[in-house]
Amino acid sequence: ETGVTQSPTHLIKTRGQQVTLRCSSQSGHNTVSWYQQALGQGPQFIFQYYREEENGRGNFPPRFSGLQFPNYSSELNVNALELDDSALYLCASSLGAPGQGARAFFGQGTRLTVV
Amino acid sequence: RKEVEQDPGPFNVPEGATVAFNCTYSNSASQSFFWYRQDCRKEPKLLMSVYSSGNEDGRFTAQLNRASQYISLLIRDSKLSDSATYLCVVNLGSGNTGKLIFGQGTTLQVKP
Repeated sequence: ETGVTQSPTHLIKTRGQQVTLRCSSQSGHNTVSWYQQALGQGPQFIFQYYREEENGRGNFPPRFSGLQFPNYSSELNVNALELDDSALYLCASSLGAPGQGARAFFGQGTRLTVV
Repeated sequence: RKEVEQDPGPFNVPEGATVAFNCTYSNSASQSFFWYRQDCRKEPKLLMSVYSSGNEDGRFTAQLNRASQYISLLIRDSKLSDSATYLCVVNLGSGNTGKLIFGQGTTLQVKP
């Protein structure tokens, strides 16, 4: 519906493992932001990529890392998974940074469960 | 103190009722304000932007008070389909990354 697709939709991992989540942005959108939403909480900003460069980061440890590719799709990588990493991970794409008036469109999210 | 604070609710109202949600934000440099709607286990979707002059979209009215750092959303004639979580969102504006800062969300349950 929004043109932003995330994969996989659901994932179960074991504590200590690594995970890669993927996001295809809406056509023409050059900015991708990642958010973590724990149960009962609002989404928390992880980081943003603009034209393949990290363009801001929230209060997340270095084991959360990302990439943006030339086609503006993006990956979120999390190393050394912890139980508290269990959450809905949301990707949002926009044409330009939302702070400059650009509207962000969210993907349906990847629900990660760490056991 | 949280950057954006909302009463999590839940607000349980009958169909046809008028319900109001409030939100406060801590950073006076915030420049853009929004209400998002999130259905259970779905992604957030933009409901409406919020302007200082106040704005209306059908049954929904949003207000912003910059002096008090306070945002509100009024829903008139509630429908069953309005049942969702409403997220108050602010953005620090140009010069920043454009990250959206979300409140915890307020849950609305409209009952027949």
